[in-house]
Amino acid sequence: KQEVTQIPAALSVPEGENLVLNCSFTDSAIYNLQWFRQDPGKGLTSLLLIQSSQREQTSGRLNASLDKSSGRSTLYIAASQPGDSATYLCAVLYNNNDMRFGAGTRLTVKP
Amino acid sequence: DTGVSQNPRHKITKRGQNVTFRCDPISEHNRLYWYRQTLGQGPEFLTYFQNEAQLEKSRLLSDRFSAERPKGSFSTLEIQRTEQGDSAMYLCASSLYGSNTEAFFGQGTRLTVV
Repeated sequence: KQEVTQIPAALSVPEGENLVLNCSFTDSAIYNLQWFRQDPGKGLTSLLLIQSSQREQTSGRLNASLDKSSGRSTLYIAASQPGDSATYLCAVLYNNNDMRFGAGTRLTVKP
Repeated sequence: DTGVSQNPRHKITKRGQNVTFRCDPISEHNRLYWYRQTLGQGPEFLTYFQNEAQLEKSRLLSDRFSAERPKGSFSTLEIQRTEQGDSAMYLCASSLYGSNTEAFFGQGTRLTVV
């Protein structure tokens, strides 16, 4: 069964902290893994895409890693800001072209 | 191109009515996905198109749900005889075929069944 799990479900940190969000998946036969951001009542905004052959991707203060063999990905956010408050979702595109999501981590960054 | 477009943004309907949502993907994208999302949950896969072919359907997609993508362009998702449990955000995403392409999402259609 192709399951995606995100831990923690919710996280609250003071502004300026570095933080790590976790994503795990049960089937290593993947094409890629994508991290998204979702603001309340809105659609999903793509943050980073990691192909199955890659180990990490960086965009600004965001760094995502992928360990396909262990079925894990992390999203690292440096120097967090209140504007980073949102729900972060990871999605795995499996080799059967099925894209599955975790339930998300709801992040609150307090000023 | 302004990205993936979904219409309407909001829909309120009475139980038992039929509703139809539309998704216009990014023009050159040949993959199109439909998801359903309820409060506090991640998006749940409903169905997937490669061009005009519907390649996979989730068991969530009961016989009251149908999706089409004529000519491999826009897609519609229809729910017949709506139930209160159908109330959710319906999200559409598109991407190019291939392992190194990003999926892009629309803003979603929020359905409320009263």
